[in-house]
Amino acid sequence: KNEVEQSPQNLTAQEGEFITINCSYSVGISALHWLQQHPGGGIVSLFMLSSGKKKHGRLIATINIQEKHSSLHITASHPRDSAVYICAVRSYNTDKLIFGTGTRLQVFP
Amino acid sequence: GAGVSQSPSNKVTEKGKDVELRCDPISGHTALYWYRQSLGQGLEFLIYFQGNSAPDKSGLPSDRFSAERTGGSVSTLTIQRTQQEDSAVYLCASSLAGGSTSYEQYFGPGTRLTVT
Repeated sequence: KNEVEQSPQNLTAQEGEFITINCSYSVGISALHWLQQHPGGGIVSLFMLSSGKKKHGRLIATINIQEKHSSLHITASHPRDSAVYICAVRSYNTDKLIFGTGTRLQVFP
Repeated sequence: GAGVSQSPSNKVTEKGKDVELRCDPISGHTALYWYRQSLGQGLEFLIYFQGNSAPDKSGLPSDRFSAERTGGSVSTLTIQRTQQEDSAVYLCASSLAGGSTSYEQYFGPGTRLTVT
């Protein structure tokens, strides 16, 4: 079993839909990151959080430390949101990031 | 300011040759990370440098892989006697610091290595 699990692996949506991507982890963490990777592109950090909720534009990230679960929400999705979204946790004992396998999102107009 | 830069952006090499990949972190960032993303696979940690501390090499897949960071800035990842399974995108990231405080990591564009 992977230490970081994401669901779903693939997600398609119509423009305007509300999107949720989930991440569960099994290790103690000091922080959780949500990353975005566009096809052929580099990786952009969307959020880093250790508790509660963060919002940036149409993106919202939440984390429940007790349940070891985080969600990334996209409101009013747009085709330009199409990308792979990766959850990564920073292990409490080390500085290393442990990555989920990513969720491939496609938003159609 | 400038972000993390990596060079080359693409590298094609023959099996058995050595390659060097370079990473220039954001100025002032003391923590530097190397990751690898194989085709169709997720990201995996390779090595981590923090200031003058000994690097965390626990993610290096074999002794053919090594990395150094000179002067606390530029880092070079070296792969000796490359194998086809080394083909991947190699990503570098930097952050303000490591240790007990979490900082956001900024990723470079990656180097796509193809071993033929």
